[in-house]
Amino acid sequence: DIQMTQSPSTLSASVGDRVTITCRASQSISSWLAWYQQKPGKAPKLLIYKASSLESGVPSRFSGSGSGTEFTLTISSLQPDDFATYFCQQYNSYPWTFGQGTKVEIK
Amino acid sequence: QVQLQESGPGLVKPSETLSLTCSVSGGSINNYYWSWIRQPPGKGLEWIGYIYYSGSTNYNPSLRSRVTISVDTSKSQFSLKLSSVTAADTAVYYCARKGSGWYFDFWGQGTLVTVSS
Repeated sequence: DIQMTQSPSTLSASVGDRVTITCRASQSISSWLAWYQQKPGKAPKLLIYKASSLESGVPSRFSGSGSGTEFTLTISSLQPDDFATYFCQQYNSYPWTFGQGTKVEIK
Repeated sequence: QVQLQESGPGLVKPSETLSLTCSVSGGSINNYYWSWIRQPPGKGLEWIGYIYYSGSTNYNPSLRSRVTISVDTSKSQFSLKLSSVTAADTAVYYCARKGSGWYFDFWGQGTLVTVSS
């Protein structure tokens, strides 16, 4: 299985900050990576697919980049609604696997 | 807007079979792939398997011997059965729809299933 490792596990930031989360794959996954946002007790929400494609309706302050084994999710200016847990998912090969998540907390 | 809702027992005894159903509303179950994904408390997400509306399936090798996913298009539902459960199967179970690629564009809220005697 492809292992997905996110860093950091927890991130403390303030409203307006630029935030970057990293996801590393144990082998190349080309650009077959998605990012999700999850709030407590809520369904995960798709943000980014194919490493950098923004899902319809997702604010443009979210962006994704990378290919191969290293990927980043960037929030250009953190908003109060963005405090949540973010996780990545590879869909290059079965079985699909996820990162362990990055919790973005209020500083 | 497509909505998914998981339902089923929240408590299952060890060695028994976990059974959950996902009801799809706001859109058709036809022509899509549907997955089950779980998240043990404090841990990451694990993809369990998928089913196409026509009935074809694919399972995570780590669970393949114990998993069955089925679909009932007339009811817009698909179901998960996981046999011989142990405490390690305690998790929040999500159902989700495959997007244009092998990612998930719609998810249910999730349901906690605890395995305990």
